[in-house]
Amino acid sequence: KAGVTQTPRYLIKTRGQQVTLSCSPISGHRSVSWYQQTPGQGLQFLFEYFSETQRNKGNFPGRFSGRQFSNSRSEMNVSTLELGDSALYLCASSLTPHGRELKRGAFFGQGTRLTVV
Amino acid sequence: KQEVTQIPAALSVPEGENLVLNCSFTDSAIYNLQWFRQDPGKGLTSLLLIQSSQREQTSGRLNASLDKSSGRSTLYIAASQPGDSATYLCAVSGGNQFYFGTGTSLTVIP
Repeated sequence: KAGVTQTPRYLIKTRGQQVTLSCSPISGHRSVSWYQQTPGQGLQFLFEYFSETQRNKGNFPGRFSGRQFSNSRSEMNVSTLELGDSALYLCASSLTPHGRELKRGAFFGQGTRLTVV
Repeated sequence: KQEVTQIPAALSVPEGENLVLNCSFTDSAIYNLQWFRQDPGKGLTSLLLIQSSQREQTSGRLNASLDKSSGRSTLYIAASQPGDSATYLCAVSGGNQFYFGTGTSLTVIP
């Protein structure tokens, strides 16, 4: 069974540009959540999608947005990039709405390393 | 808001030692607690999941315990090996998200 796949693995962008990251969950999983990881702030929740609907959103500016497709694949978009957006972006896949999967928890991808210059 | 703390932030031990990593959380209303391992620049690998109704889980040399009432969990690693060197993160699930600790960076010296 394939794991969570995130593409691309690495990205270098210039300030002001926009970027789109992709996450393909484990087959059968309908929930995808996104997290930002930085050395100073640790892992911070961005948003969660379940069955193509955004269920919850963290405390990030509107430049961060996402969507989920009917096949459960999810994309995250960041517009008008800032230097502070440089981070490892991780997505998590689970069967049921994030956090409520009592038996198996969530599975994470390898992440996309975004560097803004 | 849920706050998760991990102590110590860093730990260095000689190979073969048994060790304990600690995780504490402020809100006991959780669905489950999950321990993850993260290697430098990589994603998170799930190690153990403890449901809110359980007290502990074991996998090989790893044993995790949960005391919901006191808001604490421990990860016990037996007979540590250099390959165990990584950052260990605990996460509690509540509401619609995971709340992560800041992690413990473990170095096992050969």
